Parts: sequence; C-alpha cells; structure tokens
Amino acid sequence: DTAVSQTPKYLVTQMGNDKSIKCEQNLGHDTMYWYKQDSKKFLKIMFSYNNKELIINETVPNRFSPKSPDKAHLNLHINSLELGDSAVYFCASSQVQGYNSPLHFGNGTRLTVT
Amino acid sequence: TQLLEQSPQFLSIQEGENLTVYCNSSSVFSSLQWYRQEPGEGPVLLVTVVTGGEVKKLKRLTFQFGDARKDSSLHITAAQPGDTGLYLCAGPGGTSYGKLTFGQGTILTVHP
Repeated sequence: DTAVSQTPKYLVTQMGNDKSIKCEQNLGHDTMYWYKQDSKKFLKIMFSYNNKELIINETVPNRFSPKSPDKAHLNLHINSLELGDSAVYFCASSQVQGYNSPLHFGNGTRLTVT
Repeated sequence: TQLLEQSPQFLSIQEGENLTVYCNSSSVFSSLQWYRQEPGEGPVLLVTVVTGGEVKKLKRLTFQFGDARKDSSLHITAAQPGDTGLYLCAGPGGTSYGKLTFGQGTILTVHP
C-alpha cells in the first residue's frame, strides 16, 4: 500500500499548455510538500502545506498554484508551461512541521515540456 | 540561506571497496538528515543526526555529525551494487520553519 502516491508518473506536454499533478498520502501526516528536482538532481522546495494551510511558498512563478483540499491531498497546477519547467516534481509528507520530522517522498512526476 | 555542499559529486567504485561522502557547510545546523534516492523513485530517509560528534550506524553505513555541527559524513564499508544511488544530505534552511535545504547530492555507482 503506497504511502505517498503521485499521478501521473510521466507527463509530456507542449509549451503553453496547462497541466496538473495530484498527490495523496495515507500516512495521516499533517504536512505536505512539493519539491522540484532539476536535471542535475538538485532538490528544491516549492511549497509546503500544514493541515491545508500554505506555510512555505518559495520563489516560484505564480504560474504554479498548489491546492490542498484536505490534509491527505496536495495538488499542483501549472499554467502556461515553459521549457524550463521540465523537471521531476516530488510530493512529500511529514508527520509534523519540523526540521527533524522525516520526509516521505512519492516516486515523482517527470514533466517534459516540448 | 544555509547552503550544503556535498563531495564528491560522482563516485564510481568496485564492489567491496569502502567510501566516504561528505556534506559541508559554513553554517551551524541543528540537525542533518541523509537520504538515498534510487532511479525512478523518491528519496528515502536513512538517518537523522542531531548531536555534535554523534555517530550512527545502519548496517554497513556509518554517519557522523561534526563536533561543530557544520558538517557530516557518510562512510560505507564493503560497498555492494545495491548501494548504488543518489545520496543527499539535508538540513534546516532559511527562515521558514520546517523548510529543508538539500545538498546537490553524490551519485554513487558500485560495479559488481
């Protein structure tokens, strides 16, 4: 039974399109995150939600809009996709919001913008 | 922003060899975490170190947190092909509570 699941696993789309990635966790965690991993494997936080409330919003273009309908779900909608958005996007969750609370990652969504 | 630098960036070794991966910063961290990521999967937590000078062992993996809490190392004894993956260190970063900053990672390949 997958703890943090993302869909889709692969997403290939053209510039200018709008796409969404969905994430669900069944761990009962309070906090969920979106991370972006670039081609050099560098992992950078984008957003964090704690109990449906936006806590962390890094310097991300406003074309990216997260939504958390409940604490088990966190979706990411991307408008007007650009070539530079190509990356692997990871959803993660942690039991509580805190530095020592380990992150549980999904298996990623590889987004390719052509 | 507190930065974490990992070295080496790439490591290719033969099965049975020992290796050490380093995670360094000019800043003091309250704790550091180590993750391993395999191809096509998300990172998985290996360990969290909290106390300066702390040493933790996970089978053939030994993690150490520097006395000054500015650096950490991961030592693997008798590496196996199953150890192949991307090793990431992460620590509290920036002013946002709960935000983890990751190092750029070390890609380890262990050849049979």
